[in-house]
Amino acid sequence: EPEVTQTPSHQVTQMGQEVILRCVPISNHLYFYWYRQILGQKVEFLVSFYNNEISEKSEIFDDQFSVERPDGSNFTLKIRSTKLEDSAMYFCASSEQGGLAFFGQGTRLTVV
Amino acid sequence: DAKTTQPTSMDCAEGRAANLPCNHSTISGNEYVYWYRQIHSQGPQYIIHGLKNNETNEMASLIITEDRKSSTLILPHATLRDTAVYYCIVRRGGGSQGNLIFGKGTKLSVKP
Repeated sequence: EPEVTQTPSHQVTQMGQEVILRCVPISNHLYFYWYRQILGQKVEFLVSFYNNEISEKSEIFDDQFSVERPDGSNFTLKIRSTKLEDSAMYFCASSEQGGLAFFGQGTRLTVV
Repeated sequence: DAKTTQPTSMDCAEGRAANLPCNHSTISGNEYVYWYRQIHSQGPQYIIHGLKNNETNEMASLIITEDRKSSTLILPHATLRDTAVYYCIVRRGGGSQGNLIFGKGTKLSVKP
């Protein structure tokens, strides 16, 4: 069964460093998403991406964040200068038509 | 997208049916009801979705009231592995407008 894959599963980074979280969406999907979940809190929407541009972004998705689909298979989330409060699980999701979406298993980002 | 209301927590005995309610009184005609669950800090897992007819798949059944203002997710024979947080989400069926927005969900505990 096709699935969304995310790498790495766990990333530790120093405060102020740049990180790139990678996702391989399901191959025929056209809509892509990033969500995050701070420990003990709810899953929060960050950004949606369609047709090579951002469709919608939340207040969390500030100038420190960017997304890219560098080739036909990967979808990345970059955090330019990480802060302690960026520590969270980051989930990538993809959707064929923009409704039903499937999620990856997440990347646990720890900023120290 | 319409908001949803779910109980904070529920218990269910192993082997019995788990019935998880969701209120979505402001749902509009083109909005679907989606159910996801999250086990520990794993990625949200799609369960089922529907527009107005009742739906059933290998995981669960979804019962939507005739006025569409509420729905119930039914796990027919709950197992310990069904212990998770269950999210009811209302969203338009497709396209790039609107995203899956997670609330706090219902924490279902299946007990032996």
